[in-house]
Amino acid sequence: ELKVEQNPLFLSMQEGKNYTIYCNYSTTSDRLYWYRQDPGKSLESLFVLLSNGAVKQEGRLMASLDTKARLSTLHITAAVHDLSATYFCAVDLQGAQKLVFGQGTRLTINP
Amino acid sequence: DADVTQTPRNRITKTGKRIMLECSQTKGHDRMYWYRQDPGLGLQLIYYSFDVKDINKGEISDGYSVSRQAQAKFSLSLESAIPNQTALYFCATSSIQGGYNEQFFGPGTRLTVL
Repeated sequence: ELKVEQNPLFLSMQEGKNYTIYCNYSTTSDRLYWYRQDPGKSLESLFVLLSNGAVKQEGRLMASLDTKARLSTLHITAAVHDLSATYFCAVDLQGAQKLVFGQGTRLTINP
Repeated sequence: DADVTQTPRNRITKTGKRIMLECSQTKGHDRMYWYRQDPGLGLQLIYYSFDVKDINKGEISDGYSVSRQAQAKFSLSLESAIPNQTALYFCATSSIQGGYNEQFFGPGTRLTVL
């Protein structure tokens, strides 16, 4: 059974600081997705990581994938308030063609 | 225009009632999914469908049923609603083209069972 664990689950940080959210998973997969969810809203796709060593960047967010360590990171650089949201990672259960989601990391960025 | 739509957006019902949630998509995707999200938790897969004739149970299918009426439509039914089915329900779609499973989500249906 594929398990996906994110940490931290809650993160409160100040504007201008850097931080990293971690996503660990328990079985082999080389496909991982990051989503953003604002309160009461739907999930928005942020990054699609499809191979070992993949790195994607969009603005102040950068995601990477290490399939050997079964680890993905979402790095936030010089945080701004607009990045406050819940971030989910999801791992593709290969062969089954379905995603298993982490618990989500609720990120709050304070002025 | 939204690519994935869900109706209703909010619904309050009583224990024992039958309720249907509907999902439509204009993305032309072959795969559709129903998820449930409880406060502070991730998403749990209820059912998924790879085409009109292919329906599969997810992690938490008990108490739910689905119908794939067409490639673009996927409905979720609660035959006899119970309070612990109170949750936010999301429909999602994806395409087999490209060889990966990036999913696109609808706006969600907030369901309350009293």
